[in-house]
Amino acid sequence: EDQVTQSPEALRLQEGESSSLNCSYTVSGLRGLFWYRQDPGKGPEFLFTLYSAGEEKEKERLKATLTKKESFLHITAPKPEDSATYLCAVQDPFGNEKLTFGTGTRLTIIP
Amino acid sequence: ETGVTQSPTHLIKTRGQQVTLRCSSQSGHNTVSWYQQALGQGPQFIFQYYREEENGRGNFPPRFSGLQFPNYSSELNVNALELDDSALYLCASSGRFSPGSEQYFGPGTRLTVT
Repeated sequence: EDQVTQSPEALRLQEGESSSLNCSYTVSGLRGLFWYRQDPGKGPEFLFTLYSAGEEKEKERLKATLTKKESFLHITAPKPEDSATYLCAVQDPFGNEKLTFGTGTRLTIIP
Repeated sequence: ETGVTQSPTHLIKTRGQQVTLRCSSQSGHNTVSWYQQALGQGPQFIFQYYREEENGRGNFPPRFSGLQFPNYSSELNVNALELDDSALYLCASSGRFSPGSEQYFGPGTRLTVT
């Protein structure tokens, strides 16, 4: 069964202080690894899909990377509006396209 | 392009009652997945519909059921509500076997069971 573990559970940073969020996963085969951002009481907002080890994707202050065992979401010079819960999910190539999520990292950026 | 929409936004039900939640998929998407998100947890897969057929189910009892309509919109029905069913219910749509297989989520329906 697919498993996803995210760390840390919560992270508080000063505005401009760069850091990384970790997502480690166990799957029988990886079809894709997905990063979402979720604001309180709202649905997850799609950020990135990564497919193979070594792949990287960037969007504004965010960069996602992938290895065979884990993914990192790097946040460079964050702003208060980057505060949210960041969710990682994996999709295996067998059967349907269900996503298996981690419990997320709650990120707070302090002005 | 219209995104995923869900209704209602909030709902309060009593234990033992039945509830129906609705979802309209994003334009051009033919697959709908439903997820349950308890407070402080990640979304948990309930089931997926493709071409009006259930196409995979997570670890949820049969009192959770669904439908997909010819326009790809979908319903989630929950019978005999229990207190633990209180959660945010999320609908996600995707294009089946599209290269990215990205799922785009709606805003969710907050269900409270008392």
